[in-house]
Amino acid sequence: AQKITQTQPGMFVQEKEAVTLDCTYDTSDQSYGLFWYKQPSSGEMIFLIYQGSYDEQNATEGRYSLNFQKARKSANLVISASQLGDSAMYFCAMSRATGTASKLTFGTGTRLQVTL
Amino acid sequence: ETGVTQSPTHLIKTRGQQVTLRCSSQSGHNTVSWYQQALGQGPQFIFQYYREEENGRGNFPPRFSGLQFPNYSSELNVNALELDDSALYLCASSLRRTSGVPYNEQFFGPGTRLTVL
Repeated sequence: AQKITQTQPGMFVQEKEAVTLDCTYDTSDQSYGLFWYKQPSSGEMIFLIYQGSYDEQNATEGRYSLNFQKARKSANLVISASQLGDSAMYFCAMSRATGTASKLTFGTGTRLQVTL
Repeated sequence: ETGVTQSPTHLIKTRGQQVTLRCSSQSGHNTVSWYQQALGQGPQFIFQYYREEENGRGNFPPRFSGLQFPNYSSELNVNALELDDSALYLCASSLRRTSGVPYNEQFFGPGTRLTVL
């Protein structure tokens, strides 16, 4: 079974500052994927970034980067230069490797509030 | 926008009733997954449909059932509604491929918010 743990229920960050959202995971699979999604108050889950378990380099997508530490089983999301529009819920999730039923297992989320 | 649509947006039902939620997947996608998100929680996987057949199920009772149609749209049916079924129901579509890509990105719809009284 796969499990995701997000220990920060809420985070505050000032506009233009960087923020790190924590995520640890547990799985017995050798091959898996790690995802971060953003959920604004409208409810839709917006895909941000992906990291494969065999990827040697940390994933980056614009202002988002994923700090992947496999030995520690952590996949923290770093948002650089925060913007007011970044205020939302953020979910870490994982799935098994491509080719199987790619269900996503989510954590409980972190609510990020960006302030002026 | 992801191109995934869900209807209705909001729904209020009473205990014991039945409900049907609908999802239109993104063009070209052959897989639909359904998730339940209770207030303050992360989404929980209900089941997935691939080419009109159930392809994986989470820890939900049989009163949660689904369908996928030839055009890959999908329905989620819940019988004998309980108060704990109150949640946001999310549909996600993807193109399932077994090679050539590292992962099957899932595109989520806006969800249906179900309230059971």
